[in-house]
Amino acid sequence: DTAVSQTPKYLVTQMGNDKSIKCEQNLGHDTMYWYKQDSKKFLKIMFSYNNKELIINETVPNRFSPKSPDKAHLNLHINSLELGDSAVYFCASSQPGHGSYGYTFGSGTRLTVV
Amino acid sequence: EDKVVQSPLSLVVHEGDTVTLNCSYEVTNFRSLLWYKQEKKAPTFLFMLTSSGIEKKSGRLSSILDKKELSSILNITATQTGDSAIYLCAVIHSGGYQKVTFGTGTKLQVIP
Repeated sequence: DTAVSQTPKYLVTQMGNDKSIKCEQNLGHDTMYWYKQDSKKFLKIMFSYNNKELIINETVPNRFSPKSPDKAHLNLHINSLELGDSAVYFCASSQPGHGSYGYTFGSGTRLTVV
Repeated sequence: EDKVVQSPLSLVVHEGDTVTLNCSYEVTNFRSLLWYKQEKKAPTFLFMLTSSGIEKKSGRLSSILDKKELSSILNITATQTGDSAIYLCAVIHSGGYQKVTFGTGTKLQVIP
């Protein structure tokens, strides 16, 4: 069973389009995250939700909007895609207070904007 | 500003060598330090360190935290080509809801 699953795995789209990436976790964790990994492999947090409530919102363009319909899902919607949005986006989950296993990551979504 | 710095940025070694990867941090309200291995897919968890001076081991990998020096090392003995990956260090910190700051990673290449 996949613990944190993201879809799609690959996404190629044109500038100006709107796209969504979905994330689901079946670990029962309360907290979910979106990270952006740039070409230098640097992972930077974008958003964090705890039990459907937004708790971390880093400096990210307004074109990025997270949505958490329930605590097992955290989707990322991106409007008016730009070339600089090309990156790998990772979803992750954790359970604060039970951090023996740190964070569990999804397999990533490679977004290419052309 | 919270930051996590890893060194070296990249490393090439021969099979059988022992390597030491470094991670230093400056963050508010440190809680724990994590090590991950990233190959082609998502980062996979290696260790979580919370207490200073206690070594954690898993096979040929081991890691230890030094809170006084605000740093951690990851050792890999008798390296194999399968150890080739990017090793990420991350620090859980801040009050209230925890934040995680990642280092830039160390790219390790093990050649036969």
